[in-house]
Amino acid sequence: GAVVSQHPSRVICKSGTSVKIECRSLDFQATTMFWYRQFPKQSLMLMATSNEGSKATYEQGVEKDKFLINHASLTLSTLTVTSAHPEDSSFYICSVGSQDNEQFFGPGTRLTVL
Amino acid sequence: GNSVTQMEGPVTLSEEAFLTINCTYTATGYPSLFWYVQYPGEGLQLLLKATKADDKGSNKGFEATYRKETTSFHLEKGSVQVSDSAVYFCALSETGGYNKLIFGAGTRLAVHP
Repeated sequence: GAVVSQHPSRVICKSGTSVKIECRSLDFQATTMFWYRQFPKQSLMLMATSNEGSKATYEQGVEKDKFLINHASLTLSTLTVTSAHPEDSSFYICSVGSQDNEQFFGPGTRLTVL
Repeated sequence: GNSVTQMEGPVTLSEEAFLTINCTYTATGYPSLFWYVQYPGEGLQLLLKATKADDKGSNKGFEATYRKETTSFHLEKGSVQVSDSAVYFCALSETGGYNKLIFGAGTRLAVHP
């Protein structure tokens, strides 16, 4: 399966600042990538689906102006949390989609907003 | 809409005990079904999958059978180990490629020596 990395693995920022999280597919063409959010001891909540070279499709209730997704190449997608607030603190996980619907997950990024 | 329901945890077992984690789904058409595992401090990994009715997915001693008549995909293992302690997620995707996954709530398994 694909090897997916995320950077940074954890980040602490002040309220009001923006944070960019990178998701890289190291050995697999990532035409479709997914961004999830996971709260402690809870399941993954899909935030958006991104296709290389086009705009992301956001799930209902996810603010697209707050969570900016860029997927400009087959190896990289980025999630930018703009004007972060403490309620945005969470574990953010990306994944790479495949033709048989198996997804390959990154290790996640823990965001803490002070 | 499509959904996945799995038994709530935590599930606590002794080593070598039999494990069942129930998973049922609601979906139109013929979804693919997955079990993912999340070990402490790690990302999700695919444990096994099944793409059509009566398929049995298996890996690392775990298995699950796609039962369309009962809309279920229960995870089983005959003899668990301490190293199986993790959170297990049942998930489905719709027919067709590159689709999103719909996850169950996750079941935490703790295995004690």
